[in-house]
Amino acid sequence: EAGVVQSPRYKIIEKKQPVAFWCNPISGHNTLYWYLQNLGQGPELLIRYENEEAVDDSQLPKDRFSAERLKGVDSTLKIQPAELGDSAVYLCASSFQGATQYFGPGTRLTVL
Amino acid sequence: DAKTTQPPSMDCAEGRAANLPCNHSTISGNEYVYWYRQIHSQGPQYIIHGLKNNETNEMASLIITEDRKSSTLILPHATLRDTAVYYCIVQGASGTYKYIFGTGTRLKVLA
Repeated sequence: EAGVVQSPRYKIIEKKQPVAFWCNPISGHNTLYWYLQNLGQGPELLIRYENEEAVDDSQLPKDRFSAERLKGVDSTLKIQPAELGDSAVYLCASSFQGATQYFGPGTRLTVL
Repeated sequence: DAKTTQPPSMDCAEGRAANLPCNHSTISGNEYVYWYRQIHSQGPQYIIHGLKNNETNEMASLIITEDRKSSTLILPHATLRDTAVYYCIVQGASGTYKYIFGTGTRLKVLA
């Protein structure tokens, strides 16, 4: 069974440019999570979806970050415009109805 | 949401058991303890979880104290591939399913 798929794995952009990350969860998992992981720290939740509804986006910086999960399957996280401090790993995870979360490999973003 | 406390680093000799402790003194009765590990440049990998009984799977054993205020993850025969950061997480109360990661324990398995 395929795990959580994320792309791209690595992205290098200049500050003020937009960037988008894509996630495809494990088949049948209705809950999808986006996390941010800074160097040397544990992941921090940005947003959680139940199907296509964002049920917890309290930690998402809404001035520059946005996310969507239009059909309740795959999801896109966008940053516009990117800042130097956004350099980090962006992780996607999925679960079935809030049970055990399974993580993708992450996207490492470098903002120059 | 309950917080967890783990030692920042530990060493273990290859072939020996690795015992990783975690303190979660503010855990609530319906909150689960989860363990994940993260190898460099990969996403966190699920290891095991439990509520109050001890659990064992093909990867590890989880021992939870009777008062549930602490737990220990046991890797029975550590290998070099077990070198990773290990996170102990208390899953948020019912309805939030929130994971709060700490900084974890960096386990180094020595040859």
